[in-house]
Amino acid sequence: DQQVKQNSPSLSVQEGRISILNCDYTNSMFDYFLWYKKYPAEGPTFLISISSIKDKNEDGRFTVFLNKSAKHLSLHIVPSQPGDSAVYFCAARAIQGAQKLVFGQGTRLTINP
Amino acid sequence: KAGVTQTPRYLIKTRGQQVTLSCSPISGHRSVSWYQQTPGQGLQFLFEYFSETQRNKGNFPGRFSGRQFSNSRSEMNVSTLELGDSALYLCASSLRGLYEQYFGPGTRLTVT
Repeated sequence: DQQVKQNSPSLSVQEGRISILNCDYTNSMFDYFLWYKKYPAEGPTFLISISSIKDKNEDGRFTVFLNKSAKHLSLHIVPSQPGDSAVYFCAARAIQGAQKLVFGQGTRLTINP
Repeated sequence: KAGVTQTPRYLIKTRGQQVTLSCSPISGHRSVSWYQQTPGQGLQFLFEYFSETQRNKGNFPGRFSGRQFSNSRSEMNVSTLELGDSALYLCASSLRGLYEQYFGPGTRLTVT
């Protein structure tokens, strides 16, 4: 039961353009969402998060949008830079008794010069 | 400020053995979580410890256990290893729990 889905395993974007990574979820009990970036041989690095009471959160070049009615989350990176090439994971936190974090399968973003 | 450290970085064990992995969180972080990453299942939450108590738990069998010490360092133990336990085990620490977490580099466990 994949509660958090990143349907695009990979994405290729030109340097300077906008990168849009998408994430869908099924559990309406998720109350907090996060995006992580992962380089090879390193642990994931926290990027940005959003609470379910908001629909947008911005931090520099990174903006996360939340559409609760569609159960859809997206990460926008503008402008895209070569250093953004990595695997991006979205994660969602559920509060059902105990808390747990559920991760998507990841999207490999490649920024082309 | 030093990041999250995990030891050892690589480990090879035989089926049926047990293994203990160690994690030192960022100074001041009281929450430590463990994750298993495999190519087929992605990143899966194992459990979270806060102030020496297991606060949250994922859907893993009882062979997976952990503990946290008074200095917030944490260990994870896997008993009766199975081939399917081969994975990258990641530890993450945070100030307040399952919010923004800071990950270590992971321990690559191979079970033969």
